[in-house]
Parts: sequence; C-alpha cells; structure tokens
Amino acid sequence: AQKVTQAQTEISVVEKEDVTLDCVYETRDTTYYLFWYKQPPSGELVFLIRRNSFDEQNEISGRYSWNFQKSTSSFNFTITASQVVDSAVYFCALKTNAGKSTFGDGTTLTVKP
Amino acid sequence: DAGVIQSPRHEVTEMGQEVTLRCKPISGHNSLFWYRQTMMRGLELLIYFNNNVPIDDSGMPEDRFSAKMPNASFSTLKIQPSEPRDSAVYFCASSLEQGAASNQPQHFGDGTRLSIL
Repeated sequence: AQKVTQAQTEISVVEKEDVTLDCVYETRDTTYYLFWYKQPPSGELVFLIRRNSFDEQNEISGRYSWNFQKSTSSFNFTITASQVVDSAVYFCALKTNAGKSTFGDGTTLTVKP
Repeated sequence: DAGVIQSPRHEVTEMGQEVTLRCKPISGHNSLFWYRQTMMRGLELLIYFNNNVPIDDSGMPEDRFSAKMPNASFSTLKIQPSEPRDSAVYFCASSLEQGAASNQPQHFGDGTRLSIL
C-alpha cells in the first residue's frame, strides 16, 4: 500500500520568510513518481512539479525548490522569500501503478504581509 | 488548449434529489479521475477510468454513487438519492497514461461545489 504523510497541517509565516513543507512517502515499488500540487483560495488544483524515483537531482524554479531524498523517503518543498500569493494548500502525491495517485492531507500555508 | 471542464460550478439541491456532475477531460488524455474534497476527509479518490473503462471504484462511498464514461470526452458522476453528508467539492482530473506507470501529472478541473440541504 502507498501512503503520503504531510505532518504539517498548517504553517504561518511572515512575508519574505523561507518556509519548507515536508512530505514523507511509503511504497514498496521501486519505480514511482512524486508530485506537488497547489490549491490557492480560489479552489483549483494546480500541478507544480514531479520527480521520478530514479532521479534524485534536486530542482529549483525561481523561489521554489524541491529536495528529494530516497534514503529518508522524503520530497520536501521550500519556498524562498515567501509572498502573500503563496498562501494556499499544498498537496504532495505519490504515483506507482498506472494512473492512480495517493495524495497527502495537504499543508495549509498562510503568508502574512 | 482547454483544460478539464466541469459543470456545474455550483449546485444546491434538497436531499433526496438526483445530482449529476459532468466532466470533459483534456483532449487526448486517456485517464479520468473523480475526487471528493471535504474538510474532514481531505481529497478522496472516488473512481478512475482508463480508456473509458472503470479501473478502480473502491473509493465510491456507497451504491448511491455511480460514474460513467460513455466516451473519451465525457464522464458523469451521479448521486441518487443525495444526502446532506454528500456536500463537498467534487473534482474531475485527467491525465495521459502511457505504459505500466507514468510520470504524467493529473490536470484538475475547477471543481463542482455541491450543497445538499
């Protein structure tokens, strides 16, 4: 069975602070894929990034960066110099078998001005 | 390109009524998913289709829920009879799956906010 744990239910920071959202996953499959999605207050779910299990290279995209570590089964997401527009619920997801993804419970990030 | 299109955006109805939610996936995508999101349970996968065939419906709450995908460009999720506890946001998502596993993300519609009075 697959499982995704986002231990942080809610995080609140002040604008310009850095913040890291944690994601820990469980799977017995050797090939799998990890994703982060963002759900802003408007409600839609937006894909942010994916990572393949055989590619542990970390990634940076602007103020966003992702740290994938197979040794700890973690796929953490860092926002540098956070902005109010980053306020959203962030979901981590794991995909193994064809099609089906397992989502974490989400972390609600509030960035205060 | 058009994204996943869901209708209606909002639905308010009285308990006991039949509710039909509709979804048009992204053209060319071969997998379609229905999710339900509530504060209590978070994001739950109800059912997913691959090439119009239901693959896993283990998340469907009970017999009052049914889903169909008559062709590659349309799916419905029906609740009959509806109950207040069915109130939630229902999302449809689609993706392109290739082979045994795929690194393709799911693309979500804007959701249908359903309120059963």
